[in-house]
Amino acid sequence: DVVMTQSPLSLPVTLGQPASISCRSSQSLVHSDGNTYLNWFQQRPGQSPRRLIYRVSNRDSGVPDRFSGSGSGTDFTLKISRVEAEDIGVYYCMQGTHWLGDLFGQGTELEIK
Amino acid sequence: EVQLVESGGGLVQPGGSLRLSCAASEFTFSGHWMHWVRQAPGKGLVWVSSIFSDGSRATYADSVKGRFTISRDTAKNTLYLQMNSLRAEDTAVYYCAGNSVDNFDYWGQGTPVTVSS
Repeated sequence: DVVMTQSPLSLPVTLGQPASISCRSSQSLVHSDGNTYLNWFQQRPGQSPRRLIYRVSNRDSGVPDRFSGSGSGTDFTLKISRVEAEDIGVYYCMQGTHWLGDLFGQGTELEIK
Repeated sequence: EVQLVESGGGLVQPGGSLRLSCAASEFTFSGHWMHWVRQAPGKGLVWVSSIFSDGSRATYADSVKGRFTISRDTAKNTLYLQMNSLRAEDTAVYYCAGNSVDNFDYWGQGTPVTVSS
């Protein structure tokens, strides 16, 4: 089964500074159809999750361009170029290539210093 | 605007059953996968089950296999999760989610399930 590992689990950031979250999978996330199904979700306090990024680097509609995704194979990164107050919450990576085991990482809690 | 609205959660005793529903508006199941994801208090997101729109394929997490059954009524645009033999560790907020462009495009607001005597 696939295991998704995020780091760090807690990320204190100063407003206006960049932030970066790593996500590693125990197996390659390249699907037999050639796509890599790695998504990023944001969950603000008290809210449902919201997808930010799909297939590694595609930003969803309405997502600010300060959010970007990158990576390949087993190593992926979510970057926020300049953190704003509305960005606080928990961020999850999610793999949709292997529907066994973990789909979601453990989550990374972003807080403002 | 797409809306997914869950219902059916509540307090149930260990060993009991509940059926969750997820009604979709401005969103058609046809050709898409639908999912249930849960989140225990203070914990992360955990995938529970998924079903293809025509019901031809369904998958389950090992932790619920044999106890939970996912289904859908395309005429009613509603997703279901029948939960039997409930355990304390099934206590969580249950979210339904739907695919469109990719996995988990849309999410409901969640319905809480508490398993306790």
